[in-house]
Amino acid sequence: EDQVTQSPEALRLQEGESSSLNCSYTVSGLRGLFWYRQDPGKGPEFLFTLYSAGEEKEKERLKATLTKKESFLHITAPKPEDSATYLCAVQPPVMNRDDKIIFGKGTRLHILP
Amino acid sequence: DSGVTQTPKHLITATGQRVTLRCSPRSGDLSVYWYQQSLDQGLQFLIQYYNGEERAKGNILERFSAQQFPDLHSELNLSSLELGDSALYFCASSARDNSPLHFGNGTRLTVT
Repeated sequence: EDQVTQSPEALRLQEGESSSLNCSYTVSGLRGLFWYRQDPGKGPEFLFTLYSAGEEKEKERLKATLTKKESFLHITAPKPEDSATYLCAVQPPVMNRDDKIIFGKGTRLHILP
Repeated sequence: DSGVTQTPKHLITATGQRVTLRCSPRSGDLSVYWYQQSLDQGLQFLIQYYNGEERAKGNILERFSAQQFPDLHSELNLSSLELGDSALYFCASSARDNSPLHFGNGTRLTVT
């Protein structure tokens, strides 16, 4: 069964303290990997799509990278407003027109001022 | 604003009852996905529709059903509700294969 595992489950950082979140997956023939940010009580907000190993995407203090078996979300000099749950999702190959997207359980990030 | 609209925002009902959750996708998006999110399970895929046809099915209970209408809005019907069905239900839409999903803000269902 296709699996998506995110680590750590929770992370507390001081403002300005850079770190990385991990997303590992067992899907073969990945069609796409997505990163989302979710604030409490809200729907996930799309951040990045990565399609192939070696690809990188950046947005403000966030940078997402992809290898054949995992993705990292690097957070540089975070601010308190970066506190949220970060979700990783993968899109396996289409099987019998089955086009599901599988989410990990997320990393809860808390940035202390 | 993602452009995906879900109604109602909150729903409180009793066990055994039936409810309908509604989703309007972003303009132009043909695919609609439904997810359930509870505290300990994360986002669980329920079902996907593409241009009115069921495309993929996840861990959707037999008590749950969905459909997508010709105007592309979708409804998720939950019946014979149990306490364990209390959760956030999200709808998401996408334009085409390999496109990211865009989520609504969910319907919070509380079964008492």
